[in-house]
Amino acid sequence: EAGVAQSPRYKIIEKRQSVAFWCNPISGHATLYWYQQILGQGPKLLIQFQNNGVVDDSQLPKDRFSAERLKGVDSTLKIQPAKLEDSAVYLCASSLGAGENTGELFFGEGSRLTVL
Amino acid sequence: GENVEQHPSTLSVQEGDSAVIKCTYSDSASNYFPWYKQELGKGPQLIIDIRSNVGEKKDQRIAVTLNKTAKHFSLHITETQPEDSAVYFCAAPRRGAGNMLTFGGGTRLMVKP
Repeated sequence: EAGVAQSPRYKIIEKRQSVAFWCNPISGHATLYWYQQILGQGPKLLIQFQNNGVVDDSQLPKDRFSAERLKGVDSTLKIQPAKLEDSAVYLCASSLGAGENTGELFFGEGSRLTVL
Repeated sequence: GENVEQHPSTLSVQEGDSAVIKCTYSDSASNYFPWYKQELGKGPQLIIDIRSNVGEKKDQRIAVTLNKTAKHFSLHITETQPEDSAVYFCAAPRRGAGNMLTFGGGTRLMVKP
């Protein structure tokens, strides 16, 4: 079974530039998550989708971050304009269930962003 | 929201020894407690989880214990091996529409051969 696919694996940009990350979850997984992991810290949830609807985006800095999951499968996360503090690994995860029955989250390998 | 605290932040053990990592959580309604292992350059991977209706769960060399009264849970790894070296994260669900997981700050485990 193919895992969660993410691209690009690495991206270096200058502050105020924009960047986009792509995620393809495991086939059949209704729930998709984007996490931000700053070096030395645990993953922090940015946004959760169930199918193509947003379940929670309360921790997404909406002035610069946006995410979409148009057809309920792939998702993109965009940052515009980037700040130095956005340097982190952006992890995409998916799960079969949701809510009380979420169960295991399957993570991709992440996209490492460096903002200079 | 849920607050998850994890300690120690780093742990170094000799191969064959045991390792214990502890987490505390704040939301008494939380009922699911997973542990994830993250190797360098990879995403976290679930290694064991426990639900609030049991106090302990074991899977070969790893076990998790839960104390709901004290609101803490622990990961126990016995007979550690070099391949156990990684960063371990505990998590607990944040009450809300999606029951999203809040992760602890992580423990870097180093097993010395």
